[in-house]
Amino acid sequence: QKEVEQNSGPLSVPEGAIASLNCTYSDRGSQSFFWYRQYSGKSPELIMFIYSNGDKEDGRFTAQLNKASQYVSLLIRDSQPSDSATYLCAVNGYGGSQGNLIFGKGTKLSVKP
Amino acid sequence: DAGVIQSPRHEVTEMGQEVTLRCKPISGHNSLFWYRQTMMRGLELLIYFNNNVPIDDSGMPEDRFSAKMPNASFSTLKIQPSEPRDSAVYFCASSTLEGQPQHFGDGTRLSIL
Repeated sequence: QKEVEQNSGPLSVPEGAIASLNCTYSDRGSQSFFWYRQYSGKSPELIMFIYSNGDKEDGRFTAQLNKASQYVSLLIRDSQPSDSATYLCAVNGYGGSQGNLIFGKGTKLSVKP
Repeated sequence: DAGVIQSPRHEVTEMGQEVTLRCKPISGHNSLFWYRQTMMRGLELLIYFNNNVPIDDSGMPEDRFSAKMPNASFSTLKIQPSEPRDSAVYFCASSTLEGQPQHFGDGTRLSIL
């Protein structure tokens, strides 16, 4: 059973701080890793994707991937109240189902002004 | 550019009725995905198509659920007969290729009374 695990939170950080969101996955064959943001009552919105070990930066967001440890994280610098949402980690399947994504249940982030 | 378009946005119907959800993927996207999201189970893949062909339908809960993709710009998810436990938000997503980032529609909030 392929699994993606996230701490459900809530994770509470003060405005301006760094928020660190973590995700582990069970399938060593996974090749693609995604972070989605979902506001309450809205659809998931892609914010980052990463395919290679190391860090990938995009504005205030940094995705980190460590395939050996089967671990992917998302850092949000200078957190803003508008970053308050649920963050979903997603990992691609393998074999005949490489196209689909397996989602974690999400970490709820709250940024306090 | 138009994103993934789903209809209806909300559906309320009585148990036993047939429900049809519709999706128009982003033009040029070859992969289409149907998800269901509940508080208890999170975001679950129901079925996905690649070039209009169903690739993985292992997430379809039971025979009451069926999905079709008659052409590259349209897909339906049908529930017949519907049951209260089918109440959830159903999302459609599309991507250019398998394993590439998926883009979600606004979802259909389904309530079965």
